[in-house]
Amino acid sequence: DIQLTQSPSSLSASVGDRVTITCRASQTISNYLNWYQKQPGKAPRLLIYAASSLQSGVPSRFSGSGSGTDFTLTISSLEPEDFATYYCQQTYSFPLFGGGTKVEIK
Amino acid sequence: EEQLVESGGGLIQPGGSLRLSCAASGLIVSTNYMSWVRQAPGKGLEWVAVIYSGGTTRYADSVKGRITFSRDNSKNTMYLQMSSLRADDTAVYYCARVATREYNYALDVWGQGTTVTVSS
Repeated sequence: DIQLTQSPSSLSASVGDRVTITCRASQTISNYLNWYQKQPGKAPRLLIYAASSLQSGVPSRFSGSGSGTDFTLTISSLEPEDFATYYCQQTYSFPLFGGGTKVEIK
Repeated sequence: EEQLVESGGGLIQPGGSLRLSCAASGLIVSTNYMSWVRQAPGKGLEWVAVIYSGGTTRYADSVKGRITFSRDNSKNTMYLQMSSLRADDTAVYYCARVATREYNYALDVWGQGTTVTVSS
């Protein structure tokens, strides 16, 4: 099975900061990598699909990059509503989520 | 507007059974791939099951043999029949639509979740 490793598992940042989260796959998955935002008490929200495509309605401060085994989610300037946990997901084979990265307020 | 609404969660004793429902509006479950994803307290997201448009199902190893994913096309509703429930099945269960290949099969429409608590 393909495993996904996210790093860091948590980070502290301030409003306006640039934040980068990485997701590494245990084997190549082409661009079959998606990113989600999960806030407490809310359903997950799709942010990025196919590694770098922005889902409709998602602010442009979110961006994704990567291919093969290494992927990145970047938030260019943190807004208060961005403090949440972020998950990568691979759909190259049996769907699997990464362990998550919690973005907390510094 | 595409919408999914889960129901059926609750408190159930270990070894018991429960059926979750997911009613869809604005989308047709029989022509989409649909999934269930869960999140245990303090844990990450875990993909549970998928049903393809043709009716074929696949399950995570953690629930295989104990969970059945089905749908009623006439009601545009999906069901997750769970049996032999264990404490580690305690979670919020979400149903979600699997987007097309163009979207790399991402989960693009989600329900609000229903909570299952397995405890004596």
